[in-house]
Amino acid sequence: GNSVTQMEGPVTLSEEAFLTINCTYTATGYPSLFWYVQYPGEGLQLLLKATKADDKGSNKGFEATYRKETTSFHLEKGSVQVSDSAVYFCALSETNFNKFYFGSGTKLNVKP
Amino acid sequence: GAGVSQSPSNKVTEKGKDVELRCDPISGHTALYWYRQSLGQGLEFLIYFQGNSAPDKSGLPSDRFSAERTGGSVSTLTIQRTQQEDSAVYLCASSPALPVGNEQFFGPGTRLTVL
Repeated sequence: GNSVTQMEGPVTLSEEAFLTINCTYTATGYPSLFWYVQYPGEGLQLLLKATKADDKGSNKGFEATYRKETTSFHLEKGSVQVSDSAVYFCALSETNFNKFYFGSGTKLNVKP
Repeated sequence: GAGVSQSPSNKVTEKGKDVELRCDPISGHTALYWYRQSLGQGLEFLIYFQGNSAPDKSGLPSDRFSAERTGGSVSTLTIQRTQQEDSAVYLCASSPALPVGNEQFFGPGTRLTVL
């Protein structure tokens, strides 16, 4: 079956530190991969996505590369800011259906 | 344009009562999803609609939970005989059917508290 596993949090970093949040997936087909972000008190919103192997999604300084060989979609940012403090969810959608599978979320705390 | 809306935004009910949660998806989106997010937890998939039909009901936690969608638009999630463990934020999302793998657009959620 399909599933998403992401690193447990919380992750606490100082401002300007490098961020990696690991995400690996299991899929029966060729899924699309997503990172969603939930800022405190707000709803989930799409951060970035990649629809095929070797694609790189990027937005707001965040990047993630769709690695089929390692079934991974790790989220990275070179220099985090306090405003990046949020919960980050990795997700996949199946090839033939529009069903989504979400990871359990990783809370990021960035301290000034 | 208008996003996904949900009502009510907050609902406090007594144990054993029935509740109805409403979701208005983005116009033209044929796919609609319900999730549950408990405090400190991730998203738990409940049910998925494609048009008015629900090809996947596997996530509904018990037979106290049901959902319907009429006219390919508004959806209602009903929880009968609520229990305290039903307390959570219930999220609705919609997505265009095609192309496959389109992102989901989330509503603000309904926070349900069962006393």
